Order: sequence, then structure tokens, then C-alpha cells
Amino acid sequence: DTGVSQNPRHKITKRGQNVTFRCDPISEHNRLYWYRQTLGQGPEFLTYFQNEAQLEKSRLLSDRFSAERPKGSFSTLEIQRTEQGDSAMYLCASRLDGENSPLHFGNGTRLTVT
Amino acid sequence: AQSVTQLGSHVSVSEGALVLLRCNYSSSVPPYLFWYVQYPNQGLQLLLKYTSAATLVKGINGFEAEFKKSETSFHLTKPSAHMSDAAEYFCAVVGNTGGFKTIFGAGTRLFVKA
Repeated sequence: DTGVSQNPRHKITKRGQNVTFRCDPISEHNRLYWYRQTLGQGPEFLTYFQNEAQLEKSRLLSDRFSAERPKGSFSTLEIQRTEQGDSAMYLCASRLDGENSPLHFGNGTRLTVT
Repeated sequence: AQSVTQLGSHVSVSEGALVLLRCNYSSSVPPYLFWYVQYPNQGLQLLLKYTSAATLVKGINGFEAEFKKSETSFHLTKPSAHMSDAAEYFCAVVGNTGGFKTIFGAGTRLFVKA
């Protein structure tokens, strides 16, 4: 179990630029989740995948956000035309099937939009 | 929709004192409840989870939580705080919609004074 890996750890970008984050889940976990966390708040659900299928997207996820999980392995989250309000920590987590299976989180990617 | 409410965004205790972090949940069905801990600049780690096998759940680092259906509560306790317990703690519930996404409370930051 090598854990969930996220890259990069930090990203500073100018408003209007596109950014892409990567998440490598625990290999045997078929469910992968993206969350966004702002200062002083709990993680907010963005989207999730079961294998390669994206099964749910939050209303928080505007058209500027897109996520993929090709071949059901790693996942990418892209933000187009970034805005200052996109500044946050983006967390990826994976888990096994089952309602009581806990999430395993990566260390997150902190995005700062200037 | 299921949700959790954490009472108190900040809790401060002295080293060696009892830690009590409060969580109330809203659920129309028996819930799956979790506590996670987050250290600075890291992702969340599982502390413990409730799965209906027992109302008193023991977790890592000496923490435990008691499920009380009559009070819809799942408070986290530790008999004696240690400096290393200083972190942010999140109560969470697994939603009953497809995908079993985890819904987090706003978090409680624990400060431990020497």
C-alpha cells in the first residue's frame, strides 16, 4: 500500500490560465473521489469515479472543471480559465467498494490563483 | 440529505486534559459515521469509524467515539490530550445516494496547551 499520491503539491498560476492536477490512487481501489477544501472548511465533494466511469458531479463543478480517469487508474482534474475563487486545496481520495469503507486521502494540491 | 454538524470550530485544552469534540448527524437511515484527522499541509487520515457492530468505537492514538442514536450524536473523546493531538478533526457521514460519497462537517481545530 503506497498510499494515494497527488501532484503537484503546490501550484501558483495567473488568472485565466489552465491547470491540471494528477492523482494516483491505491491500486486496488476502484472508487476515486475529488474534493475541494478552503480555509476553515471541511472537504466539499466535487466528483467521483467508479473505475473509469465518472458517475456523479457536484453542482460546485462548473463547466471550467473537467476530470478524467482513463483506464480506471490515475485521474486528472483540469481547471480552465482559472479564477481567484478557484484558490483552494484539491484533495483526491480512493476507497474500496462498500458503504463503510473509509476514504484514503492524498496530501492534496494547493492551488493559488493570482 | 445526510449531513453532520460539528459544534465548535475551535477547542483548546491543556496537555493531559480530556478532549471532547462534538458531532451531530442527520440521517434517515442507520448511518456510517467516521472521524478523520488532518495535520497541517496534509490530507485527512482515518481515526475511527462506526459500523453498527458496537456503539463505542476505539480508534488510533487513544481516541474513541460513542454512537448515541437517541441524541443523533457521535462525539469524539480522548482521556488525556497530548501535544501531538493538535490538528483539525472532521466528522463525516456516508451519503445514501449512489456512490456513497462522504459528507464532511466543517471541522474542529484542536489546540493543546503545555
